[in-house]
Amino acid sequence: GAVVSQHPSRVICKSGTSVKIECRSLDFQATTMFWYRQFPKQSLMLMATSNEGSKATYEQGVEKDKFLINHASLTLSTLTVTSAHPEDSSFYICSARTGLGTEAFFGQGTRLTVV
Amino acid sequence: ELKVEQNPLFLSMQEGKNYTIYCNYSTTSDRLYWYRQDPGKSLESLFVLLSNGAVKQEGRLMASLDTKARLSTLHITAAVHDLSATYFCAVDRDDKIIFGKGTRLHILP
Repeated sequence: GAVVSQHPSRVICKSGTSVKIECRSLDFQATTMFWYRQFPKQSLMLMATSNEGSKATYEQGVEKDKFLINHASLTLSTLTVTSAHPEDSSFYICSARTGLGTEAFFGQGTRLTVV
Repeated sequence: ELKVEQNPLFLSMQEGKNYTIYCNYSTTSDRLYWYRQDPGKSLESLFVLLSNGAVKQEGRLMASLDTKARLSTLHITAAVHDLSATYFCAVDRDDKIIFGKGTRLHILP
C-alpha cells in the first residue's frame, strides 16, 4: 500500500505553546487528508477533512481556531494545535487518499503530551 | 448522518475458539475497512471491502460485507494469543471515514 508519514511521532510541549504536526503522502498525491484524534482506549474521532488548496471542513465541536489545518500541497497537510492545554493531550492520526472513493492510508500517529 | 456501530466492545476468549465481531452502519458506503491497533501504536490495515458479498481472508481472520444489510463481520478462527488487540471497522462515505468504537479482544492462553 501507499505510504503516509507523520512527524513527529511524539511531542511534549508546555501549556500555552503551539505545536505543529506534519502529514506527508510519500508516494502518491493526496487530494484529501483527514485528521483524527484518539483518546486512550477510545475510538478515532474525525476532527476535520482537508482538500488540497481549500479550507478544511471541521466536524461539529472541533474548534477551528484551535486546530489549524493547512493542506497547501498534494503531499503535505499540517495540523497546528494552538495554545495547547493538557486536555489536548492525545494521539493524533492523519489519513490521506488520492480522491473521493479511493482507499485511504494512515500515518503512524503523533502522541502529543501537554504539560 | 453516518453512524457506525461495532459489537461487542470487549471480548475475552480462549485460544482455539472462534468468534465474530459485527459492524453495522447506518447509510450506504463506498468501502469498508477493518483495522487492527496494538496499544500505543497506529492502525494496521487488515481488509478493504468494496462490494456486496465481498469476502477476504488472511490467516485466521476473515472479513465479509453485506451492503444490503449494511453489515460487515470479522471472523476469527481458532484464536491465538497474538491476535489480542483492538479491532476497528471504518466506513467510507461522502469523503468521510467514520470509525466504530472498536472491539478490544483479549485472547487467553
